[in-house]
Amino acid sequence: EAQVTQNPRYLITVTGKKLTVTCSQNMNHEYMSWYRQDPGLGLRQIYYSMNVEVTDKGDVPEGYKVSRKEKRNFPLILESPSPNQTSLYFCASSSTVVDQPQHFGDGTRLSIL
Amino acid sequence: LAKTTQPISMDSYEGQEVNITCSHNNIATNDYITWYQQFPSQGPRFIIQGYKTKVTNEVASLFIPADRKSSTLSLPRVSLSDTAVYYCLVGFYRDDKIIFGKGTRLHILP
Repeated sequence: EAQVTQNPRYLITVTGKKLTVTCSQNMNHEYMSWYRQDPGLGLRQIYYSMNVEVTDKGDVPEGYKVSRKEKRNFPLILESPSPNQTSLYFCASSSTVVDQPQHFGDGTRLSIL
Repeated sequence: LAKTTQPISMDSYEGQEVNITCSHNNIATNDYITWYQQFPSQGPRFIIQGYKTKVTNEVASLFIPADRKSSTLSLPRVSLSDTAVYYCLVGFYRDDKIIFGKGTRLHILP
């Protein structure tokens, strides 16, 4: 089954404790992206990747890192999480950026205390 | 700076046709518009996509007028299960960027 898998689905942690949210897709997609979703603000792009070893900042990259060492994986790293990063996060992938629909994971709800 | 604008919320009744419009400035002739549906606690799910005139699939239609300053998602004969948040997204070929609208919360009443 074609899917985007995120882990963990839920995480409660404390300020400053490094965490990684994993994202994996099994569709051989070139493009992968991370979004955060907050009430009233919709989906905002954090980082995206056009291919292996190619990453770029989205609209809200501050406080986040990503890597794309393999085509299927695109982890999101919070080196020193802060409470304003409490949010719902989605990973997505697609074969092209503009003219192919993105497939989304089920989301990761992060709470930073 | 490209921007997309959608109504924050809409109400409709079962069996009605619902049209949700997305306004988008500075969009080129082959840039794509995509609509997604999102239920609580789930990721957005693809509904329909196109770049000109009209596209129809088994669940929706997408209308894009000639001036391309807006697009309309049309849901025929909605049911209670269509209650969800609907997002429009514009994809720009010139720089491979995408922009999401802030979403329209659609509430279907019996």
